[in-house]
Amino acid sequence: DAEITQSPRHKITETGRQVTLACHQTWNHNNMFWYRQDLGHGLRLIHYSYGVQDTNKGEVSDGYSVSRSNTEDLPLTLESAASSQTSVYFCASSRTGETEAFFGQGTRLTVV
Amino acid sequence: GNSVTQMEGPVTLSEEAFLTINCTYTATGYPSLFWYVQYPGEGLQLLLKATKADDKGSNKGFEATYRKETTSFHLEKGSVQVSDSAVYFCALSPEKLTFGTGTRLTIIP
Repeated sequence: DAEITQSPRHKITETGRQVTLACHQTWNHNNMFWYRQDLGHGLRLIHYSYGVQDTNKGEVSDGYSVSRSNTEDLPLTLESAASSQTSVYFCASSRTGETEAFFGQGTRLTVV
Repeated sequence: GNSVTQMEGPVTLSEEAFLTINCTYTATGYPSLFWYVQYPGEGLQLLLKATKADDKGSNKGFEATYRKETTSFHLEKGSVQVSDSAVYFCALSPEKLTFGTGTRLTIIP
């Protein structure tokens, strides 16, 4: 079955370190998204991509970057982790022109 | 820009009670509207959707009607079960989803 997987599921890192969260989907979807989930804020969009070599900033992109070198993967990098980036991160994907998105299980990141 | 305003939680109900979770939106054009559900420790799953005005989405006993005149997409269920305990998110698109803040629902036996 097609799926979307995130790794790791849990991560503890120190302030100032670079961290990369992986997202891999096997649906061959063109659209991929990264969200963070925080109490009282719901899900907020960090970055998104509509295809290979395409990346766009979302509403909370500062301190994060993504790259899209193939259809299946959209890794999220925190260039210098900060305590404010402690959160649960969700990756999602969808087909071009379709509105339904499929979500991964999430990565809980703690920055100490 | 697009935005979603969702009923604040948490909401606690007894089993078999009637559920309404309010959702209103602001958007340009004609967005699609969604309800996603998040069970403890899991990612979000699509519960139901509606793609145009007056459409009714339904799934697992839940329903929501796309009301363009009131810009609303309220979630309803006639008789909730303990297994419905979860966080519910209203969202709109096209393409990149805009979410409400989520409503935590707890059903007590």
